[in-house]
Amino acid sequence: GAGVSQSPRYKVTKRGQDVALRCDPISGHVSLYWYRQALGQGPEFLTYFNYEAQQDKSGLPNDRFSAERPEGSISTLTIQRTEQRDSAMYRCASSQTETGNTIYFGEGSWLTVV
Amino acid sequence: DAKTTQPTSMDCAEGRAANLPCNHSTISGNEYVYWYRQIHSQGPQYIIHGLKNNETNEMASLIITEDRKSSTLILPHATLRDTAVYYCIVRVGVSSGSARQLTFGSGTQLTVLP
Repeated sequence: GAGVSQSPRYKVTKRGQDVALRCDPISGHVSLYWYRQALGQGPEFLTYFNYEAQQDKSGLPNDRFSAERPEGSISTLTIQRTEQRDSAMYRCASSQTETGNTIYFGEGSWLTVV
Repeated sequence: DAKTTQPTSMDCAEGRAANLPCNHSTISGNEYVYWYRQIHSQGPQYIIHGLKNNETNEMASLIITEDRKSSTLILPHATLRDTAVYYCIVRVGVSSGSARQLTFGSGTQLTVLP
C-alpha cells in the first residue's frame, strides 16, 4: 500500500478481554516495528521484525503482549487479559530494508481499556 | 543508543529560521543523529539524519559539531504547519549492518507563531 496501514483505528475494550491490533506495512518493506505512545510522551519501542523473524522483543512490557508476522508482511500485536494501564496509542512502522535509515509510521491504533 | 537532551519547548516567528538544539555528549563513533517530528496525533515523520558532516535536504538542515556532542536542526523558513514535537535520536546506522529501533525521548515542542 501507499503507507503503513493500521486497524482498528480506535478500540474500546473491557478489562480482561484480549485485543488484536493489525499492521499492514508498506509493500515490500522488510522491517516492521511496533511502538506504544502514551499521551504527551514520545513513542516507546516494543518489538521489531525482519521479514517473519522477530529480531527484538525487549520492549514488550510483559508476557501478556505478543506479536507475530507469519508471512513477512502483515503483523498482529496481541494483548491478552487487557488492563487499564494498557490504554495508549499503538503505532506500527516499517522500513524498506533491514538497514533502512527512514522508518515510516502509521496513524496508529488508539486502545482504551475500561 | 546514546541519550539525547533537548529543550522542552521553543517558539519561532513564522517566516524566520527555527534552530532546534540537541545534546548527545555520549554519542559513539558508529551512531548517527536522526531527527523526526510528530505533528499533533499523526505518526512520527522522518526529517533528516547525519553522521558527522552537515546535511541538507528539502525539509531542513542538520549541523553537527566537530566533536559530535551536539547538533542543531534548522528549519530555514518556518511555517505554521511546522508546529510539532521534534525528536532528536541517536541510533546505530546502516554502516553497522543491522537495523535498530529508534529510541524517542520527550522531544521539543516547536510552536510557530503568526
